[in-house]
Amino acid sequence: SQQGEEDPQALSIQEGENATMNCSYKTSINNLQWYRQNSGRGLVHLILIRSNEREKHSGRLRVTLDTSKKSSSLLITASRAADTASYFCATDSSGGYQKVTFGTGTKLQVIP
Amino acid sequence: DTGVSQNPRHKITKRGQNVTFRCDPISEHNRLYWYRQTLGQGPEFLTYFQNEAQLEKSRLLSDRFSAERPKGSFSTLEIQRTEQGDSAMYLCASSSQEEAFFGQGTRLTVV
Repeated sequence: SQQGEEDPQALSIQEGENATMNCSYKTSINNLQWYRQNSGRGLVHLILIRSNEREKHSGRLRVTLDTSKKSSSLLITASRAADTASYFCATDSSGGYQKVTFGTGTKLQVIP
Repeated sequence: DTGVSQNPRHKITKRGQNVTFRCDPISEHNRLYWYRQTLGQGPEFLTYFQNEAQLEKSRLLSDRFSAERPKGSFSTLEIQRTEQGDSAMYLCASSSQEEAFFGQGTRLTVV
């Protein structure tokens, strides 16, 4: 079963605007990762945030993590047409070993 | 290219046939994952290896599915007696610590 759920399922914005996607998950985690997937292609790792971190930046990406609410958000600033893709959050279970489980994804469309 | 490599990229097979996919992880990575992804959905976990040991297998994986990772290097995923419902993208990922890196996937079409 899916561990996380992204919200919204689909998002359409104009180029230059910011895009925010949210992820909620169910169990305790060691870390949370965000991935991008272009249509029909493999997943590209974007950013990882550990359970003891609250915010992380990478270029135009900003990720937050609230472990008390079991949620994370991904903000893409100054969006570009090339950011059009599906975005997934993935969590590992904080058990004896790492198992990465994905959410259902947010489909982002950036209109030039 | 030192990334995760999957072969073949595409496979079309007739229902009832067996298929085998291969994944070559990043060489120093000891963890290897298989996922299945259908259109519009996120990747679903199938199985996980740490070195050569298969540590978890999803209930999604019926008896027709088997995965191996001999010597803790490359891995194979075999589907026996394929069904149309097996049509999907099969993704492999590897990691050494935290970040998992994915291959381009094998797209299976069962006709």
